[in-house]
Amino acid sequence: DGGITQSPKYLFRKEGQNVTLSCEQNLNHDAMYWYRQDPGQGLRLIYYSQIVNDFQKGDIAEGYSVSREKKESFPLTVTSAQKNPTAFYLCASSDEGQPYEQYFGPGTRLTVT
Amino acid sequence: ILNVEQSPQSLHVQEGDSTNFTCSFPSSNFYALHWYRWETAKSPEALFVMTLNGDEKKKGRISATLNTKEGYSYLYIKGSQPEDSATYLCASFTSYGKLTFGQGTILTVHP
Repeated sequence: DGGITQSPKYLFRKEGQNVTLSCEQNLNHDAMYWYRQDPGQGLRLIYYSQIVNDFQKGDIAEGYSVSREKKESFPLTVTSAQKNPTAFYLCASSDEGQPYEQYFGPGTRLTVT
Repeated sequence: ILNVEQSPQSLHVQEGDSTNFTCSFPSSNFYALHWYRWETAKSPEALFVMTLNGDEKKKGRISATLNTKEGYSYLYIKGSQPEDSATYLCASFTSYGKLTFGQGTILTVHP
């Protein structure tokens, strides 16, 4: 089945450590996105990529980094510079031919202590 | 309106009730309005993507309307069922490629 996978579902890290969240899609979509959700807030865009080897900062990119070496993969690294990394992270993709309808993965809940 | 705003934040209804909630968005540079349903422990799924002023879309008991001139969309659920319980997200997509989500409306349907 086509879809988006994120792993792991739950992730625990110590403060000061970098951590990489995985996102893979087999929908053949060009565009991929990373969002963060905090309680009581909408999804906020961290980074997005419209094509391989290219990506742009979203609204809250500070403390995060991404790469897009393959069309299928868009990993997100939460660095030690991110002041409040504990959150729920959602990856999404979209087909450039649509008005950007998002297809979401199941999410990763990151807890940093 | 600078941001995408949804109201109410949460809603409790009885099975069989009809309900509706609102999404307000900036009308300038509008390109599309998305509605998503996000059930607990699942991924958000698209319900509707609407682009034209006056557009009305329907999927089963759920329908949505769009007013791009005044910047709002309504989502209606007719005869709510417990399986309709979810967070409903709207998102506004602008002509310069920015998708902004509202904070969501949490719907709980009691049997």
